[in-house]
Amino acid sequence: QVLLQESGPGLVKPSETLSLTCSVAGDSINDYYWNWIRQSPGKGLEWVGYTLYGGNSYYNPSLTSRVTISIDMSENQVSLKLTSVTAADTAVYFCARSDYGGNNKIDSWGQGTLVTVSS
Amino acid sequence: QSVLTQPPSVSAAPGQHVTISCTGSSSNVESNYVSWYQQLPGTAPKLLIYDNIQRPSGIPDRFSGSKSGTTATLAITGLQPGDEAVYYCGTWDRSLSGEGVFGGGTKLTVL
Repeated sequence: QVLLQESGPGLVKPSETLSLTCSVAGDSINDYYWNWIRQSPGKGLEWVGYTLYGGNSYYNPSLTSRVTISIDMSENQVSLKLTSVTAADTAVYFCARSDYGGNNKIDSWGQGTLVTVSS
Repeated sequence: QSVLTQPPSVSAAPGQHVTISCTGSSSNVESNYVSWYQQLPGTAPKLLIYDNIQRPSGIPDRFSGSKSGTTATLAITGLQPGDEAVYYCGTWDRSLSGEGVFGGGTKLTVL
């Protein structure tokens, strides 16, 4: 049973960089695709992007100039960086695992972490 | 405005059945696998259906998926109070550089 745990600051100032980490326990990080999905308060799901160890990363076109998803194999962690944040980036951010890309079969999710962008 | 269109809400009594539609286009639903997720209040989404019709282990067969053309459908039979949740469809959109897309979500109320 894989366990995913997101961590990072709950409050980020406008124009700064949002940095989150997803710690993966119980699975080999290089066997799966790793996704970040966010949900603004009271809203639906928004795909942020995904990566595969040793493979390509794919990002939401509306975020691609500001987002980076990467894997740290030594720490068994997946990270998300989003630069130049605004209030519109306030959301619960979920780390999630899938067997393959294409936004399909995302079968394990972290509990999510709320990030608020405010001065 | 979501790329995939879902009805905002559906409702039915316990024991009855409901269907939730997810309408997209040739660049997403029609040409890629669709997944369905259930989100209970305050929790992370849970995978119900993948590859249009497949259920992960542990998901009861009361939940089923189908797809025809640009519309995917989630059906739930034998409704239970615990099924009250928001349901999302998701797939890949291969226009431009490709991106993951979700429906806006459908709130299921079990009357």
